[in-house]
Amino acid sequence: KQEVTQIPAALSVPEGENLVLNCSFTDSAIYNLQWFRQDPGKGLTSLLLIQSSQREQTSGRLNASLDKSSGRSTLYIAASQPGDSATYLCAVNRLTGGGNKLTFGTGTQLKVEL
Amino acid sequence: NAGVMQNPRHLVRRRGQEARLRCSPMKGHSHVYWYRQLPEEGLKFMVYLQKENIIDESGMPKERFSAEFPKEGPSILRIQQVVRGDSAAYFCASSSGGSDNQPQHFGDGTRLSIL
Repeated sequence: KQEVTQIPAALSVPEGENLVLNCSFTDSAIYNLQWFRQDPGKGLTSLLLIQSSQREQTSGRLNASLDKSSGRSTLYIAASQPGDSATYLCAVNRLTGGGNKLTFGTGTQLKVEL
Repeated sequence: NAGVMQNPRHLVRRRGQEARLRCSPMKGHSHVYWYRQLPEEGLKFMVYLQKENIIDESGMPKERFSAEFPKEGPSILRIQQVVRGDSAAYFCASSSGGSDNQPQHFGDGTRLSIL
């Protein structure tokens, strides 16, 4: 059974700092891994999707890496801003057939302070 | 707004009543997924549907819960005889295909509260 863990559970940093969020998963047989952000009372916004054959993806100040063999992914946020404050979720799409079913971690709650 | 639309945003029911949650996928998407987020827990997969077909319902509770995605109209998640433990945020997502490299796009969710 796939289990996804995110560390830390919560993080508070001053504005401008670079930071790393961690995600680990127990079953390396995955198709892809997706990072989302969730704002309070809102749905999920997709940030980056990394295919199992890829090592990293970049979008603006965000960079996500994937090491499938060790079951780890990191989300790097450069020059953090207060608007980055949200809960960040990683989700893996496992290699079992039956379609596109995501297994989520419990998230990292990020607060970027002025 | 071409995104995934869920309604209602908030739904209050008394124990024993029925709850119906609706989801309209993004334009051009024919694959719908329902997830549940219980308080202080992560999102858990419930069911995956294509038009008129349930593909995977391995995450659905065995009783009281059902889902459909008719040929016309939105996908419906139906909960009969609701209990306090059904209080949660229910999220719908859609994708353009069932292949595993299509990203899922999420709606804003329905917050269900059971009195």
